[in-house]
Amino acid sequence: GAGVSQSPRYKVAKRGQDVALRCDPISGHVSLFWYQQALGQGPEFLTYFQNEAQLDKSGLPSDRFFAERPEGSVSTLKIQRTQQEDSAVYLCASIAGSSYNSPLHFGNGTRLTVT
Amino acid sequence: KNQVEQSPQSLIILEGKNCTLQCNYTVSPFSNLRWYKQDTGRGPVSLTIMTFSENTKSNGRYTATLDADTKQSSLHITASQLSDSASYICVVINTGTASKLTFGTGTRLQVTL
Repeated sequence: GAGVSQSPRYKVAKRGQDVALRCDPISGHVSLFWYQQALGQGPEFLTYFQNEAQLDKSGLPSDRFFAERPEGSVSTLKIQRTQQEDSAVYLCASIAGSSYNSPLHFGNGTRLTVT
Repeated sequence: KNQVEQSPQSLIILEGKNCTLQCNYTVSPFSNLRWYKQDTGRGPVSLTIMTFSENTKSNGRYTATLDADTKQSSLHITASQLSDSASYICVVINTGTASKLTFGTGTRLQVTL
């Protein structure tokens, strides 16, 4: 596709529910990142994939967070037993290679509200 | 701890005026520094990428500077337009894995008539 696509754009979940957030990166992009952005803050790193391999998941805040990219393209971020502190915008970004000299292309995010 | 600090936190200017946003970082070892523009409700969009050896880089009305010795960068916006109203985020990458991006909290710019 033309850009990184995320769905849904908005998600409201009751505390304790499980949610799944989807990211479609730019076609052919090797690297994929998930970030969490609280209101008025910069994005915070969650996890990083190179193709289907999850190379870094050090930013996942708890074992309730799980991400996968089984075929090296679409990725899903799953949050189990959501808590109010999980409310944030979840951004996905992709990059053409594994080089850190190329720009990151971000999706418009999924705004998660846990009530 | 690797940190990126931006100032001011927010800024209001009149249309047509210039402004300069600041970014100080302690990320080490340093690879490159990026400025992103984030409109409300949208993902960040890349404005510039600067490597260690680059002192200045322009993208239209946006000019970024980098002083790797003092670990400071600035983003200068010339002849501001209403559409420049957004958050501007400074991002620093250290060498190693591409996952090591440190984001500043951004400067919220509002351009008014």
